[in-house]
Amino acid sequence: AQSVTQPDIHITVSEGASLELRCNYSYGATPYLFWYVQSPGQGLQLLLKYFSGDTLVQGIKGFEAEFKRSQSSFNLRKPSVHWSDAAEYFCAVGSNFGNEKLTFGTGTRLTIIP
Amino acid sequence: DGGITQSPKYLFRKEGQNVTLSCEQNLNHDAMYWYRQDPGQGLRLIYYSQIVNDFQKGDIAEGYSVSREKKESFPLTVTSAQKNPTAFYLCASSISRQTGEETQYFGPGTRLLVL
Repeated sequence: AQSVTQPDIHITVSEGASLELRCNYSYGATPYLFWYVQSPGQGLQLLLKYFSGDTLVQGIKGFEAEFKRSQSSFNLRKPSVHWSDAAEYFCAVGSNFGNEKLTFGTGTRLTIIP
Repeated sequence: DGGITQSPKYLFRKEGQNVTLSCEQNLNHDAMYWYRQDPGQGLRLIYYSQIVNDFQKGDIAEGYSVSREKKESFPLTVTSAQKNPTAFYLCASSISRQTGEETQYFGPGTRLLVL
């Protein structure tokens, strides 16, 4: 069965500092990987996705993520965070037989301090 | 504007009552999904539908029911059999589940509270 681990429940970062959110997955074949962001009381917005090809993927709002098969990881990065980046971030893994079994991590809440 | 709408934003349920959450999409997507979100637990799949008049149970279907009579609509009923219904419910859709590489897009959610 596929699974996703986001080891950091809560991260606090200063505005302008760099950010890395960790995501580790378990899946038997090549996974489809996603990062979503959720503001309080809102739905999820897709930040970026990896299906195949270049292992470094660019997303919206200046985010990027790198797929590392050897480490079963898909960490999200941003070189300089803005106060508006404060939100909850979810990593998800889907199967290559169709993503009805999209499995989500438990999320990482990001707080930005001035 | 194309997108997914969910209504109502907040819903209150009395003991023993069935309530229905609405989800509508105008993206012409074939597949639709319902998730439940609880604090600290991520999202869990309740039901999904690949095509009109067909749907499948997800990981936590007990106490819930769905219908898919129209491509653009996928309502979720929380029945009285669901003993702990308080949660945030999210609807999503994707182009199709047939070819892989589909991305799921989410609505704004409905928060269900028990009186």
